[in-house]
Amino acid sequence: KQEVTQIPAALSVPEGENLVLNCSFTDSAIYNLQWFRQDPGKGLTSLLLIQSSQREQTSGRLNASLDKSSGRSTLYIAASQPGDSATYLCAGMDTGRRALTFGSGTRLQVQP
Amino acid sequence: EPEVTQTPSHQVTQMGQEVILRCVPISNHLYFYWYRQILGQKVEFLVSFYNNEISEKSEIFDDQFSVERPDGSNFTLKIRSTKLEDSAMYFCASSEGGGQDTDTQYFGPGTRLTVL
Repeated sequence: KQEVTQIPAALSVPEGENLVLNCSFTDSAIYNLQWFRQDPGKGLTSLLLIQSSQREQTSGRLNASLDKSSGRSTLYIAASQPGDSATYLCAGMDTGRRALTFGSGTRLQVQP
Repeated sequence: EPEVTQTPSHQVTQMGQEVILRCVPISNHLYFYWYRQILGQKVEFLVSFYNNEISEKSEIFDDQFSVERPDGSNFTLKIRSTKLEDSAMYFCASSEGGGQDTDTQYFGPGTRLTVL
């Protein structure tokens, strides 16, 4: 059964800093991986999807990588802003399934 | 930009009562999903629905739960006899239903269900 873990659970950084959020998964049968943002009391906003054949995906200041052999994905946020403050979730999709398995998230606070 | 909508935003019910949570997926999407998030815990998959039938379900999705697409736009989750442990945020999601590899899931804002 796929297990997804995110470290750290919480992170506080000053504005302008570059940062890396980590996601690890136990089963290499993972097919692709999606990163989401969740604001307090709100739904999940899709940020990036890394396809099975890709090693990374970029959108603006965000860059996500996927290394199936090591069971890891990272989300890199460049030049962080207070508006980036939210919980970031990674979720993996296993081969042959559509269900997403979520990590517990990293709660990010960017201090102005 | 098209988005998934859910109603109500908050539902309070008594234990043992039936509840129906409603969702309007993005209009051209073919796959629909329900997930839930108990306070302080991970988001958990409940069920996926495609071509008018359940395509996958988790251990959580027992006989107390059912899903339906009653018309061309709505997708519902019914809990027959609610328990205290059903209290959670319920998220609906939809995806285009293309190849698995590119099928991004888009989530609604959620319905907070409180069972008293």
